[in-house]
Amino acid sequence: SQTIHQWPATLVQPVGSPLSLECTVEGTSNPNLYWYRQAAGRGLQLLFYSVGIGQISSEVPQNLSASRPQDRQFILSSKKLLLSDSGFYLCAWKGLRAGNTIYFGEGSWLTVV
Amino acid sequence: DQQVKQNSPSLSVQEGRISILNCDYTNSMFDYFLWYKKYPAEGPTFLISISSIKDKNEDGRFTVFLNKSAKHLSLHIVPSQPGDSAVYFCAAAYTGANSKLTFGKGITLSVRP
Repeated sequence: SQTIHQWPATLVQPVGSPLSLECTVEGTSNPNLYWYRQAAGRGLQLLFYSVGIGQISSEVPQNLSASRPQDRQFILSSKKLLLSDSGFYLCAWKGLRAGNTIYFGEGSWLTVV
Repeated sequence: DQQVKQNSPSLSVQEGRISILNCDYTNSMFDYFLWYKKYPAEGPTFLISISSIKDKNEDGRFTVFLNKSAKHLSLHIVPSQPGDSAVYFCAAAYTGANSKLTFGKGITLSVRP
């Protein structure tokens, strides 16, 4: 069966510090991968998605970047965090045969102080 | 421009009664709709979906209804249980391998014992 795991689960970082959130998927090949952010009152906002290694599409301009160095690994990064980057970040995947259903990881709470 | 709208931020129902969660969309190209359930500090979990070729899909206590002419869908939970208390997100997508989900802002359901 397929599993998705992201880490760390919680993170408290000072303004201006770098960020790296990692996500890995097991049990599937060539998945579509996504990074979402849940902010209060704004639902789930798609930040990045990837259809293959090295292929990243950005949905919104922001202080963050994403990379996909391996087929089942997706990384969310920032060189210098802003207070507004605080939120709940979710990695998700979709298999080629999963239709339109995507499956989420456990989420990572980021607090920028 | 919000393409998927969940206009009611919260809903409170008595245990054993029916919960009806509503969702509206504006993009007529959407042809696949999903509901996700989310507990605090956890990733959303897939609940139920419906294709635009259907007007109803049922899975146990959960039924989703789709009214394409009104661009409206609803999730019915019968009977409601306290464990159903969570945030429910409506999502919509175009069918396709690289399709992305567009989420509503979510609705918080509270089921009173």
